Amino acid sequence: SQTIHQWPATLVQPVGSPLSLECTVEGTSNPNLYWYRQAAGRGLQLLFYSVGIGQISSEVPQNLSASRPQDRQFILSSKKLLLSDSGFYLCAWHFQGVTGYTFGSGTRLTVV
Amino acid sequence: GEDVEQSLFLSVREGDSSVINCTYTDSSSTYLYWYKQEPGAGLQLLTYIFSNMDMKQDQRLTVLLNKKDKHLSLRIADTQTGDSAIYFCAESTSSASKIIFGSGTRLSIRP
Repeated sequence: SQTIHQWPATLVQPVGSPLSLECTVEGTSNPNLYWYRQAAGRGLQLLFYSVGIGQISSEVPQNLSASRPQDRQFILSSKKLLLSDSGFYLCAWHFQGVTGYTFGSGTRLTVV
Repeated sequence: GEDVEQSLFLSVREGDSSVINCTYTDSSSTYLYWYKQEPGAGLQLLTYIFSNMDMKQDQRLTVLLNKKDKHLSLRIADTQTGDSAIYFCAESTSSASKIIFGSGTRLSIRP
């Protein structure tokens, strides 16, 4: 069966520090992969999605970037974090023919 | 562009039915979803409905779709404390590579 792993679960980082969040999927090939951010008490904001290795679509211009170095690995990065980058980051995958997305358990990022 | 809207809060008494409403704008939506998010967790797919259906029932959950009005609802019968969560409405088309989510409705249960 397919599973999705996200880590770390919680992260506290100072302003100006770099960021790297990783998401990996098991049990499927060539999935669509997504990064969402959820600010406190708010809905989901789609940040990036990828339909294949090296293919990244950015939905919201900001100081974050995403990469997909391998088929089942999706990385969210920043060179210098801002206070406004705090939030709950969710990775998800979707495969053609499968209805709906499957979400990871999320990373709570607090920038201080 | 596509938009999905839902009210932010709903409070119901334990044992009553909860009805969470959602409207969407994309008339070509093929799939409509309800996701549940418990505190500090990711989203869990609760149920979905194809746009050619009017209703789908799954145990305590009933989904109603009014395609003409682009209105989707989720009814939870006999609401329990474990149903406390944020419920997200979402839609996608068959050709789209992304799902559009609403802002979520926070359901709270009072004794």
